[in-house]
Amino acid sequence: NAGVTQTPKFRILKIGQSMTLQCTQDMNHNYMYWYRQDPGMGLKLIYYSVGAGITDKGEVPNGYNVSRSTTEDFPLRLELAAPSQTSVYFCASSPTVGDPTDTQYFGPGTRLTVL
Amino acid sequence: AQTVTQSQPEMSVQEAETVTLSCTYDTSESDYYLFWYKQPPSRQMILVIRQEAYKQQNATENRFSVNFQKAAKSFSLKISDSQLGDAAMYFCAYRSQGGSEKLVFGKGMKLTVNP
Repeated sequence: NAGVTQTPKFRILKIGQSMTLQCTQDMNHNYMYWYRQDPGMGLKLIYYSVGAGITDKGEVPNGYNVSRSTTEDFPLRLELAAPSQTSVYFCASSPTVGDPTDTQYFGPGTRLTVL
Repeated sequence: AQTVTQSQPEMSVQEAETVTLSCTYDTSESDYYLFWYKQPPSRQMILVIRQEAYKQQNATENRFSVNFQKAAKSFSLKISDSQLGDAAMYFCAYRSQGGSEKLVFGKGMKLTVNP
């Protein structure tokens, strides 16, 4: 059982380039999330999804886009990379509300540097 | 909006001793969940312990226990018999009951365990 997987682990982008961070979970969780973690800070929510075809903005969505075509996958797209997007990105998933486990499971993170 | 505050950026403890990590939060909600996550150098976010606000009994998980003071909006984590493997960043997090299960994180605290 792989849990939540993220690719790539590391990436360096030039200003203005675009890329997609991949996130896949094999636990059949309905809820998925993208967070960013800046140095010395806690995680901040970028986007989340409560099911396939449904996404919504979190606290810091500017400069990002997401899609949720399947239950398993929740990719995060950066269209025009900026130095302010240098961060570590975490994907997470959680079961449907009311599940007794009811916690978020995190992927290992992607370290992105924009130069 | 809810906020989570971890006022101690760093702490250290001797191996086998006990340490308490503090966390306060602000909310107008009566039902919610609180979490402690551990982030080792691998950057993986690992759930340590979870507390439901409607439960008066403090949660425990082996060497980890919490002191949940709802009226004071305080949620501290006690680590007993500290081990070298406990060294990590620790994040306190808040989640509203129901809805999208979004987590609000504190800035984190770095715990060092000295042999």
